[in-house]
Amino acid sequence: QKEVEQNSGPLSVPEGAIASLNCTYSDRGSQSFFWYRQYSGKSPELIMFIYSNGDKEDGRFTAQLNKASQYVSLLIRDSQPSDSATYLCAPGNQGGKLIFGQGTELSVKP
Amino acid sequence: ETGVTQTPRHLVMGMTNKKSLKCEQHLGHNAMYWYKQSAKKPLELMFVYNFKEQTENNSVPSRFSPECPNSSHLFLHLHTLQPEDSALYLCASSQDSYGLANYGYTFGSGTRLTVV
Repeated sequence: QKEVEQNSGPLSVPEGAIASLNCTYSDRGSQSFFWYRQYSGKSPELIMFIYSNGDKEDGRFTAQLNKASQYVSLLIRDSQPSDSATYLCAPGNQGGKLIFGQGTELSVKP
Repeated sequence: ETGVTQTPRHLVMGMTNKKSLKCEQHLGHNAMYWYKQSAKKPLELMFVYNFKEQTENNSVPSRFSPECPNSSHLFLHLHTLQPEDSALYLCASSQDSYGLANYGYTFGSGTRLTVV
């Protein structure tokens, strides 16, 4: 089993729709969870992090964490073409290191 | 300058060359990292440095040699690379690499390396 699993996509949604990105992880010791966005040819940038079970909202982004199911998701409301990018899930393990999934490519169509 | 700066942005080198990648952070962080990103593959952690000390080498071949002279600077020395080493090499920094104090990494823009 991979340490971090994400659907590679591409996930295609129309402009204005909700995009749902999912991630499962294997390390039960993971305490912190990060979502990064990476535009083509650019470096990853941090967009959300979550530590506690439940939901965390920041603008159009909502992160959801379920530690019992080892599952973290990212919802993007009112998706815009500028949201088109690869989204990387990264649980932080007990040593504080981030282990990245392969990323989900999101395409928002005008 | 602010953030994490990597130079050069692009590098083409022959298999017999020796070159170095440079990373500098202006965030006051104490941990620095090298990652390799190949097409369609997850980011691969290569090395971790905490307070200038190497704390992790993720089974990286010896043709990659890191150096961390202080908490703000990180180098990756390259020699006798193979074509499969062609990738985007990303440097990152964080407050430190222990526990929940790690509020995520800040990445540099990366060096696109091509080995011919």
